[in-house]
Amino acid sequence: DTEVTQTPKHLVMGMTNKKSLKCEQHMGHRAMYWYKQKAKKPPELMFVYSYEKLSINESVPSRFSPECPNSSLLNLHLHALQPEDSALYLCASSQRYGTETYEQYFGPGTRLTVT
Amino acid sequence: GNSVTQMEGPVTLSEEAFLTINCTYTATGYPSLFWYVQYPGEGLQLLLKATKADDKGSNKGFEATYRKETTSFHLEKGSVQVSDSAVYFCALHQTGANNLFFGTGTRLTVIP
Repeated sequence: DTEVTQTPKHLVMGMTNKKSLKCEQHMGHRAMYWYKQKAKKPPELMFVYSYEKLSINESVPSRFSPECPNSSLLNLHLHALQPEDSALYLCASSQRYGTETYEQYFGPGTRLTVT
Repeated sequence: GNSVTQMEGPVTLSEEAFLTINCTYTATGYPSLFWYVQYPGEGLQLLLKATKADDKGSNKGFEATYRKETTSFHLEKGSVQVSDSAVYFCALHQTGANNLFFGTGTRLTVIP
């Protein structure tokens, strides 16, 4: 099983709402990633978790709050978002995170629209 | 620093035409190189990869060869199909840098 799943597929939320994105993998990977992708642009790295600990935060605003409750799950909690946060949010995982090259497997993404 | 430059798109081809999407990179040391494909409305899928110079990655009729002397990793396919219409991203992973660096993507449209 080389699948990364993400829910929901689509999400529409108002600027005052609180919502969460969920990502799951059962490949035994110990590194998980959140990316943001705007239309016609490449993915931009937001966060990296390694062994359930936050390793990288690419200066992401605090209205995005990641959480890694266990080695298979990754959440992204959203609060007080702005319309410019509308994008495709991609989750990825890899065997490890470190100086070696580990292939990243991406989920299908959550298309977020902030109204 | 690390960077990836892809040919400007969009690219429109007729079915069964030959495809080349150029990709060049800048990196120190010996990066690994990847091509990812993103079909409309979907996430990224790894298409192929090469981890050292002169390696050839191949999958689903697509090929790319890691050319250290020209710092290139051009994607080729001999005969494209309508189902190959997608956005293609070249990416590199620099040993020690931990992250993937993506090119800007090239949109391919194949018409019957």
